[in-house]
Amino acid sequence: DAGITQSPRHKVTETGTPVTLRCHQTENHRYMYWYRQDPGHGLRLIHYSYGVKDTDKGEVSDGYSVSRSKTEDFLLTLESATSSQTSVYFCAISDASGRGQETQYFGPGTRLLVL
Amino acid sequence: GENVEQHPSTLSVQEGDSAVIKCTYSDSASNYFPWYKQELGKGPQLIIDIRSNVGEKKDQRIAVTLNKTAKHFSLHITETQPEDSAVYFCAASRSNDYKLSFGAGTTVTVRA
Repeated sequence: DAGITQSPRHKVTETGTPVTLRCHQTENHRYMYWYRQDPGHGLRLIHYSYGVKDTDKGEVSDGYSVSRSKTEDFLLTLESATSSQTSVYFCAISDASGRGQETQYFGPGTRLLVL
Repeated sequence: GENVEQHPSTLSVQEGDSAVIKCTYSDSASNYFPWYKQELGKGPQLIIDIRSNVGEKKDQRIAVTLNKTAKHFSLHITETQPEDSAVYFCAASRSNDYKLSFGAGTTVTVRA
C-alpha cells in the first residue's frame, strides 16, 4: 500500500463521541487525502492537504476536521460521531514528482462503526 | 464539478472471456483517467491510467481506451482469470488538480 498505514484499522464507537483516525506515510509525498467509501457512492473526498498546515475541504466535509502538523501524518477527526459516519475511510497520497500529483495511492482503510 | 458515471455495476464473466467496464465524465477539462482495483478488505490499487493526449494504453491483459469527444473511457480485461475478481473504479481529474472524482464501482466476478 505504497508506504501508507492507517490506524486504527477497525473501530466501534458510540454516537456523540469524538473519533480520530490517523494516516501515516513514509513516502515524503506532499499531498494527502481522506476519503470515505459507501456502497453505491464510490469514494468521496472529505478533506485534503497540500502541505504541512495547509488543508482544504472536499465534497463531504461536514462533521469532519483534519490536521497536518508533519509531512508524514494526516489526522481525520469526527468531532461528534453520528451513525451516518459509519463507513470505510481511506487515506491517499500523491506527489508532484514521478507520475504527477493527480496520481493517488491508497492506504488499507479504517472500518468505522458508529452505534 | 466533475460527475463520473460507471457501468455496469456488476459484471460476471466466464474465465478466459473478456470484461469491459465503461465510464462517462462531464467536465470537458478533465484529462487524467485512472483505474483502480479493490480486493476485499483492501485499499484501491492503481492498475492503469491514461491521459488525454493518448487514445489507448495497454499493460499485459489490461487496456484502457479514451474518447475525449464523447467524454467516455473504458477498461478492457482480456483472458480473465479468477484473480481478476474485484471491484473496479474509474476516476477523472484535471491535470495538476488535487481532486479525483470516482465512479460508483463495478463488481467483477470471474467464474471458473
